[in-house]
Amino acid sequence: GNSVTQMEGPVTLSEEAFLTINCTYTATGYPSLFWYVQYPGEGLQLLLKATKADDKGSNKGFEATYRKETTSFHLEKGSVQVSDSAVYFCALSRFGGSNYKLTFGKGTLLTVNP
Amino acid sequence: DAGVIQSPRHEVTEMGQEVTLRCKPISGHDYLFWYRQTMMRGLELLIYFNNNVPIDDSGMPEDRFSAKMPNASFSTLKIQPSEPRDSAVYFCASSFWQGRETQYFGPGTRLLVL
Repeated sequence: GNSVTQMEGPVTLSEEAFLTINCTYTATGYPSLFWYVQYPGEGLQLLLKATKADDKGSNKGFEATYRKETTSFHLEKGSVQVSDSAVYFCALSRFGGSNYKLTFGKGTLLTVNP
Repeated sequence: DAGVIQSPRHEVTEMGQEVTLRCKPISGHDYLFWYRQTMMRGLELLIYFNNNVPIDDSGMPEDRFSAKMPNASFSTLKIQPSEPRDSAVYFCASSFWQGRETQYFGPGTRLLVL
């Protein structure tokens, strides 16, 4: 079946540090890949996505590239801010008729200190 | 748009009591999802609906859990009887066919069963 594995946290960084959160997946065919972010006390919200191999998703300074050869979708940001402190979830989706759902990783807690 | 609305935001109840969680999806969305989030198991999909019809309820933990979607603008998740291990944050999310890859999450209901 489909699965997503992401690096365990927590990850603690200083402001302006470089961020990488690793994510690898197992799926048949060509899934779409996502990063969702959950700020404290809120629901998840889509951060970025990529729908085919070599696509790069980007938003708010975050980037991730769909690498089919390594089945990876690592999240990166060149300079984190305190406001980026949140839980980050990698996810994939596969569609079949009206049947579709997201498979999430366990989440990685990021804390950015001033 | 008001986004996905969930009520109540917090619920404290005693073991054995019935609990009903409510969700109003974004207008025009035809998919609705119920998730449960705990520290131990992360984010789990419980059930999802397409055009008010349950498509996949394989994540519903046991017969104590039931979900309904009587119309396109309302869904409930009921736990009867509740147990302490049901304590979690329950999220509702919705999406629409053309943009079905992106799910929009509500703020969640934090449930504590004593």
